[in-house]
Amino acid sequence: KNQVEQSPQSLIILEGKNCTLQCNYTVSPFSNLRWYKQDTGRGPVSLTIMTFSENTKSNGRYTATLDADTKQSSLHITASQLSDSASYICVVTEVFSGGYQKVTFGTGTKLQVIP
Amino acid sequence: DAGVTQSPTHLIKTRGQQVTLRCSPKSGHDTVSWYQQALGQGPQFIFQYYEEEERQRGNFPDRFSGHQFPNYSSELNVNALLLGDSALYLCASRGPASGSTDTQYFGPGTRLTVL
Repeated sequence: KNQVEQSPQSLIILEGKNCTLQCNYTVSPFSNLRWYKQDTGRGPVSLTIMTFSENTKSNGRYTATLDADTKQSSLHITASQLSDSASYICVVTEVFSGGYQKVTFGTGTKLQVIP
Repeated sequence: DAGVTQSPTHLIKTRGQQVTLRCSPKSGHDTVSWYQQALGQGPQFIFQYYEEEERQRGNFPDRFSGHQFPNYSSELNVNALLLGDSALYLCASRGPASGSTDTQYFGPGTRLTVL
């Protein structure tokens, strides 16, 4: 079982609408949780990064929240645009002494925004 | 700053052949990680290089090997290619540990197709 699960697996929304993507994790504690946007065939691009103690982080139309009690994070996209069509990946990083990191990727949510 | 660059962009090989993929990290970054991303899946960690040595390794066979050069650039080598090695290979770099929010930057990836 993946330690970072995302839902829904895929989502289709109309342009201009809002949507929320979910990430449930079992990795705890962790150093940071990041949301990445990945266009098809391209490398992931970081949207937001939150430490274990942060609750929310915004980047333009993207707002990420974190609830350490329920081990859930969400990515809210407002006023969606066609260019938001991509896969969104939740990534949890544990940092150990000596700089070693364990990075766990979520299963991803494929978002399609239609006109 | 060119960010993380990878070459080639696309590559087609046949079963049994060997392939070398290249990555130049973002300026100032000294740690390079390689990931394999099959179509529709999240990235899977292959290994990480720091100070020209393999520091961490994921669950990949010895057919996958790498190298880091003094200028921090890195190569990923795959021997005896299998059809299942077809994937997007991502390189990610990060700088000296700067705390819990140091971010990995991903390259655009190399799309490998094994026929």
